[in-house]
Amino acid sequence: DADVTQTPRNRITKTGKRIMLECSQTKGHDRMYWYRQDPGLGLRLIYYSFDVKDINKGEISDGYSVSRQAQAKFSLSLESAIPNQTALYFCATESSDLVNEQFFGPGTRLTVL
Amino acid sequence: GEDVEQSLFLSVREGDSSVINCTYTDSSSTYLYWYKQEPGAGLQLLTYIFSNMDMKQDQRLTVLLNKKDKHLSLRIADTQTGDSAIYFCAEESYGGSQGNLIFGKGTKLSVKP
Repeated sequence: DADVTQTPRNRITKTGKRIMLECSQTKGHDRMYWYRQDPGLGLRLIYYSFDVKDINKGEISDGYSVSRQAQAKFSLSLESAIPNQTALYFCATESSDLVNEQFFGPGTRLTVL
Repeated sequence: GEDVEQSLFLSVREGDSSVINCTYTDSSSTYLYWYKQEPGAGLQLLTYIFSNMDMKQDQRLTVLLNKKDKHLSLRIADTQTGDSAIYFCAEESYGGSQGNLIFGKGTKLSVKP
């Protein structure tokens, strides 16, 4: 079984709709991240969390919100989706050991029409 | 702020060596990382180097670090078609809007038979 799972894997929605992307992990890591990936722009950090109920804004948090109610789950919400939020979204967990290794989920492809 | 730069594309022939280059800005990074993203998947840690080292070799992979110039490279010997992927260089950050890792935009390696 995958250590970091994301649901849904693909989603098409319309402008103005509220969308929630879910991330679950079985690695027992405290730290979790949400990134979006766009061609030519690489990965950009949206939000991250170092513990339950700890929330930190990333570079591009506008238009997004997150919730970390349990250690294993970190959800990302788009309150009112817009077309320029069409992207590939990745959740990641991080080991707080010596090496900052991040473990990525398989990604959610979101299309906003 | 910190930034990580890498070229976006590299094309090589099967059997040749590939060299992917990266420059970074934060000289206080303890570790520097190379992540690999295969098509349709999330990123996976490929290798990393401790900042006190100049070189690290792991089978077909050689990482070279020039701290003075803040230059990191990844050499893949005897490149295979299965090495086709996007390779991300990453340096450490320490919180703020960039989280714990700052990723470059990724270099897409294409291997031609």
